[in-house]
Amino acid sequence: EAEVAQSPRYKITEKSQAVAFWCDPISGHATLYWYRQILGQGPELLVQFQDESVVDDSQLPKDRFSAERLKGVDSTLKIQPAELGDSAMYLCASSGGLYYGYTFGSGTRLTVV
Amino acid sequence: AQSVAQPEDQVNVAEGNPLTVKCTYSVSGNPYLFWYVQYPNRGLQFLLKYITGDNLVKGSYGFEAEFNKSQTSFHLKKPSALVSDSALYFCAAAGKAAGNKLTFGGGTRVLVKP
Repeated sequence: EAEVAQSPRYKITEKSQAVAFWCDPISGHATLYWYRQILGQGPELLVQFQDESVVDDSQLPKDRFSAERLKGVDSTLKIQPAELGDSAMYLCASSGGLYYGYTFGSGTRLTVV
Repeated sequence: AQSVAQPEDQVNVAEGNPLTVKCTYSVSGNPYLFWYVQYPNRGLQFLLKYITGDNLVKGSYGFEAEFNKSQTSFHLKKPSALVSDSALYFCAAAGKAAGNKLTFGGGTRVLVKP
C-alpha cells in the first residue's frame, strides 16, 4: 500500500534554532497538506498545496514558518526561529481528490527546548 | 466556515460492549466525512469515509459509521469493543466549497477496560 513518507520522525531543537521537515506524498497526488497537532488536540491546517502552488496558508505563521513544494512532488516545512510553543506533531497528508480521501504520514514530533 | 465537533473528550467502555463516538459537522454543500484513529506518537490511520450512497458505512477493524443528514451527524460505532481499540479518534469533514480542506474535530479518547 502506498504511503506518505515523512522525516525525521523525532526532532529536538533549541529555542531560536532553525528546523526543517520533509514530506514525500503518494505518487500522483496533486494536493499536499501540512498540519500541526498539539498534544491531545485535533490537527490544524498550516498550508495546502495544489501541485507547486499554495492554495491556503491562512493559518501559517509567516513570520517564522515557510513551506515549499518546488517541483510539485515532495515538500519542506521550515521554522526559523523555533519557539517553545512550536512543540507539536507535524503531519503531512496527500490526496488524489475528495472521492479518494486523504493519506497521512507518520508525522514528525518536534520538541523545542 | 466548515467545522467539526466531537462533544465527548473521553469515552469509557467495557470490553465486549458497544462503542459509540459522536461527531457533528457543518459543511457547505455535500459533505465528505472521515474517521481516523491515532495511537501514541503515531500518524493518523484511516478508518472509514462517507462520500455518497448508503448512510451506513463500514470500515476497518469492525468499525462503522452512520451518516445522518438531518442531524448533521456522523457517529462512529463498533458492536463489540476490544482493549486494543483504546486510542484517540478524530472525525473530519471536507467540502468542495472549502477547497477540499480537511477540518478535524478535537478528538475523543476511547478507553476500553478489560
